[in-house]
Amino acid sequence: EVQLVESGGGLVKPGGSLRLSCTASGFTFTNAWMSWVRQAPGKGLEWVGRIKSRYDGGTTDYAAPVRGRFSLSRDDSKKTMSLQMNSLKTEDTGIYYCVRGEFSGYDWGDYWGHGTLVTVSS
Amino acid sequence: DIVLTQTPHSLSVAPGQPASISCKSSQSLLHRDGKTYLHWFLQKPGQSPLLIISEVSSRLSGVPDRLSGSGSGTDFTLKNSRVEAEDGGIYYCMQTLHLPFTFGQGTKLEIK
Repeated sequence: EVQLVESGGGLVKPGGSLRLSCTASGFTFTNAWMSWVRQAPGKGLEWVGRIKSRYDGGTTDYAAPVRGRFSLSRDDSKKTMSLQMNSLKTEDTGIYYCVRGEFSGYDWGDYWGHGTLVTVSS
Repeated sequence: DIVLTQTPHSLSVAPGQPASISCKSSQSLLHRDGKTYLHWFLQKPGQSPLLIISEVSSRLSGVPDRLSGSGSGTDFTLKNSRVEAEDGGIYYCMQTLHLPFTFGQGTKLEIK
């Protein structure tokens, strides 16, 4: 059974940092490109960024609002993806979902985690 | 960035009646590989989004056949031929052709 489990959310002051993790199971994590999608309270969905598989270069892409402040990494040995969030702003508040993205033979977004809540507030 | 515009913003439908949601893209979502990277998700209250339709019209396993997706280029539609109580929630279209990936603003379906 495919599972994505996020962790690391919490309350942080503006300007602070937080590190989110996503632990995967039930599929060959090494081959998957992984994304984060966030949702501000009562708002819609916003793609945050993605990291490609190491085979495909392990490169990262980010949405403009987080570029330069957020950084994605992965540890295939632990089947984990991390999102380092720095210089946090109040508008970064929301639920952050880990999403299985491009994965040969499967559909983008076919598996999502339950999400982890990030609250940026003084 | 590609803008996806969904209409209506919300709709209220009685069980057994049809429903339709439009998603219009600011650019064509047709890739040179022949695929169109427009997908539909349903998010129920307190839950993670669920992929229901991939690449315009491919229903995911377990998605009832009363739900169907159609369209091409820049205009797409999600149709429900007979709404049931379990269909309530917010529907989002999303494109994964161009970075940044973008979502429509969502359409809330209320079951009367």
